[in-house]
Amino acid sequence: KAGVTQTPRYLIKTRGQQVTLSCSPISGHRSVSWYQQTPGQGLQFLFEYFSETQRNKGNFPGRFSGRQFSNSRSEMNVSTLELGDSALYLCASSGGQGRPEAFFGQGTRLTVV
Amino acid sequence: GENVEQHPSTLSVQEGDSAVIKCTYSDSASNYFPWYKQELGKRPQLIIDIRSNVGEKKDQRIAVTLNKTAKHFSLHITETQPEDSAVYFCAASIRSSARQLTFGSGTQLTVLP
Repeated sequence: KAGVTQTPRYLIKTRGQQVTLSCSPISGHRSVSWYQQTPGQGLQFLFEYFSETQRNKGNFPGRFSGRQFSNSRSEMNVSTLELGDSALYLCASSGGQGRPEAFFGQGTRLTVV
Repeated sequence: GENVEQHPSTLSVQEGDSAVIKCTYSDSASNYFPWYKQELGKRPQLIIDIRSNVGEKKDQRIAVTLNKTAKHFSLHITETQPEDSAVYFCAASIRSSARQLTFGSGTQLTVLP
C-alpha cells in the first residue's frame, strides 16, 4: 500500500506570492491533517479535513487555507507569503479501518525569499 | 488549548543503556498519545501510541506509560542502539485519534557507540 505522498518536495517563493501544496493520503484514509514544522516553533497543527470538510483548525492566520477533494487528496494554500512562512509543511493521513494512527508524508520544504 | 511539555530537550546515552523521555499535558480531556521518531531530513514515523484507558504499552524495546491523574506520559527505550539516534516527539489529542495533534518540543536522542 502506498504511503502518504506530498508534492512538490521543495519550493522557493518570493514574499507576497502564493503557493499551493498537495497531499495524497494512504488509500482508504479519509482524514488529512496539515502541520507546519520550524526549528523555533516545532510541529504546529494547521487544520484537518475529513470528507471534504474542514473539521478542525489551528491558530494560524487566514492566509493559510486548505481543501479536500472527493478522492481525499488535499491541498493547502498560503497567500501573501512572508519570510516567516519558510518551513517544512507536513501532511498526515489517518482514519483507515477506524484506527487512530496518523502517518506522515515526507513534507514540502518551502523557502520564502 | 492543549499544551504539551517535553523533557529533556537533549539526551545522550551509551549504547545498551536505557533512555527515558517525559511529557506532560494540560488538557484532561486528552485521550490519545502517540510518539514519533524523526531522523534528520525524514518524515516523523509513529513508533508507539497509547490510549487513555491503558496505563502501559510495550513493543519490543519500546514502552510507553501513562499517568492520567498526573497528566504525564513517558517513552522508555531499552538496550539502545546507534540507530535509535533521532529526534523523538510526544503528542496528545482530545479526538481519540491522531486527527489533531499537539506536539511536544522534541528530544534529540544520541546513542553513543
